[in-house]
Amino acid sequence: DAKTTQPTSMDCAEGRAANLPCNHSTISGNEYVYWYRQIHSQGPQYIIHGLKNNETNEMASLIITEDRKSSTLILPHATLRDTAVYYCIVRASLRYGGATNKLIFGTGTLLAVQP
Amino acid sequence: DVKVTQSSRYLVKRTGEKVFLECVQDMDHENMFWYRQDPGLGLRLIYFSYDVKMKEKGDIPEGYSVSREKKERFSLILESASTNQTSMYLCASSLGGGRGSPLHFGNGTRLTVT
Repeated sequence: DAKTTQPTSMDCAEGRAANLPCNHSTISGNEYVYWYRQIHSQGPQYIIHGLKNNETNEMASLIITEDRKSSTLILPHATLRDTAVYYCIVRASLRYGGATNKLIFGTGTLLAVQP
Repeated sequence: DVKVTQSSRYLVKRTGEKVFLECVQDMDHENMFWYRQDPGLGLRLIYFSYDVKMKEKGDIPEGYSVSREKKERFSLILESASTNQTSMYLCASSLGGGRGSPLHFGNGTRLTVT
């Protein structure tokens, strides 16, 4: 699976958009980009994922560059409850029948939303 | 919303005890996973299952076994708990079929072996 690079930490003012970047320059054609976040003492929470096109759901938007070498997670109106570690992961789709499913989380970005 | 439920949030066991960690998902997912999370090491895959009674070893299966008798339930068993198995254990599930389906995680079980 391709490796990702994220900033260690970021600040964002409450109510503003939080834009979290991720570099994945060695991504392969069949690898998806996933974003998760983890609040202390809880399990990772799935946010969004995409392959080529930009995606949006009720939590966030995912912008993937045309060459797929980087992406940005956008939280449109950050709240204090969005303070967490955000992980960007690229992974090939799990093949039925047992491909090893190694989800490499890395160190992520600690997003601190300030009041 | 997908719900993955782990039976205990905190567990304290003694060295040598047999430990069962239970996980249930309510979304009819084919795939289920057990990870452990340790500071500085990230999430490491212990075992996963892509169907009832099917299981495959992950990266660190030694000292663990699993059971999947029903589609919704995936159990992790520590045959003889040791102090180096003190960790946060995370269960996850996902749809099968190779569509890039994301993993959905439970809230974890923090196991301490004394």
